[in-house]
Amino acid sequence: AQSVSQHNHHVILSEAASLELGCNYSYGGTVNLFWYVQYPGQHLQLLLKYFSGDPLVKGIKGFEAEFIKSKFSFNLRKPSVQWSDTAEYFCAVNVGNNRKLIWGLGTSLGVNP
Amino acid sequence: EPEVTQTPSHQVTQMGQEVILRCVPISNHLYFYWYRQILGQKVEFLVSFYNNEISEKSEIFDDQFSVERPDGSNFTLKIRSTKLEDSAMYFCASSEGTSGGYNEQFFGPGTRLTVL
Repeated sequence: AQSVSQHNHHVILSEAASLELGCNYSYGGTVNLFWYVQYPGQHLQLLLKYFSGDPLVKGIKGFEAEFIKSKFSFNLRKPSVQWSDTAEYFCAVNVGNNRKLIWGLGTSLGVNP
Repeated sequence: EPEVTQTPSHQVTQMGQEVILRCVPISNHLYFYWYRQILGQKVEFLVSFYNNEISEKSEIFDDQFSVERPDGSNFTLKIRSTKLEDSAMYFCASSEGTSGGYNEQFFGPGTRLTVL
């Protein structure tokens, strides 16, 4: 069965530190990849997505992610985090033409000012 | 900016009771979804709905669950006889469903269901 793994469940950083959150998925075929973010008290919202083309995708608020097909990975990065990035981050995939999203466990990011 | 809304934000019920969770998807969207997240676990897909019928459902979505689009705006999830293990956050989502590939899913704020 397809699954998504996020390696870091809780991350605490200081402002201006660099961020990388790991995401791996298990499926050998065509995938669409997503990072969603949930700020405290808010809806899940899309940070960025990869469907095809350039494997380095840029999202909102300075986030980017790189799809490495050989590693089945889609890691999220930000060069310099801010206190306002404190949130829960979810990696999700959908497989082929199937619309359902398969989710990772999520990473809780805390940024100290 | 259009949003998916869900009511209630928190529902407390007794085991064995029926609950209906309500969602108003974004108005021009064609695909609707329910997901749930049990505390400490992954978000799980329950069901997708298109053209007034279920397009896909997970193993979780057994006979105790049903979905309906009773009018042009609401999308509901009914649990007929709730169990303790149904306690979770339930998320509704919608997407455009236009041709040409996958569309982003927009999520509501969730309904926290507590079964006592």
